[in-house]
Amino acid sequence: SAVISQKPSRDICQRGTSLTIQCQVDSQVTMMFWYRQQPGQSLTLIATANQGSEATYESGFVIDKFPISRPNLTFSTLTVSNMSPEDSSIYLCSVEEDGLRAGYTFGSGTRLTVV
Amino acid sequence: QKEVEQNSGPLSVPEGAIASLNCTYSDRGSQSFFWYRQYSGKSPELIMSIYSNGDKEDGRFTAQLNKASQYVSLLIRDSQPSDSATYLCAVKNGGYQKVTFGIGTKLQVIP
Repeated sequence: SAVISQKPSRDICQRGTSLTIQCQVDSQVTMMFWYRQQPGQSLTLIATANQGSEATYESGFVIDKFPISRPNLTFSTLTVSNMSPEDSSIYLCSVEEDGLRAGYTFGSGTRLTVV
Repeated sequence: QKEVEQNSGPLSVPEGAIASLNCTYSDRGSQSFFWYRQYSGKSPELIMSIYSNGDKEDGRFTAQLNKASQYVSLLIRDSQPSDSATYLCAVKNGGYQKVTFGIGTKLQVIP
């Protein structure tokens, strides 16, 4: 299965600032997915990132708040902009394994605390 | 109605017992079903996938799927303290479609 390197692993940020999270995959993948996991809640999909096109955002998430880049088939970034304490969460990138029925592999996650 | 429902637990079982984790889903078009294990502070790890009605066994784990009743379950035999984690049920329609996760069931295996 794919190996994903995600960084930073954690950060404490001041409100109003931005943080960019990076994910590097050891193989080429068509789609990368960005999830958020808030305390006591399940994984919520933020957006799907395709190489060469704009990301597709889920309801409740907008590009101005969570801009995503996907410059090639092995790399993606998610930026959390103008942060507030409500953005404190774990952010995870993931890729779909080969095959139409395949599951996802996740990066190690970024634990973000906004103060 | 939530798309994927799980009891958040905690589910406590004694060491050596069978742990039974259940999940229901709302979309009848769902084709692929997954169980992920998530240790505290770690990211989810895929442990089982199932696509057809019936049982699928892998070591101490058995996944069960009943599409008519729209439920998926995971049985863990001979539960060990190291199995203590949150187990997430996940469902997708097929192809490059998003995976929808349940809230997860926290399992505690008591030595």
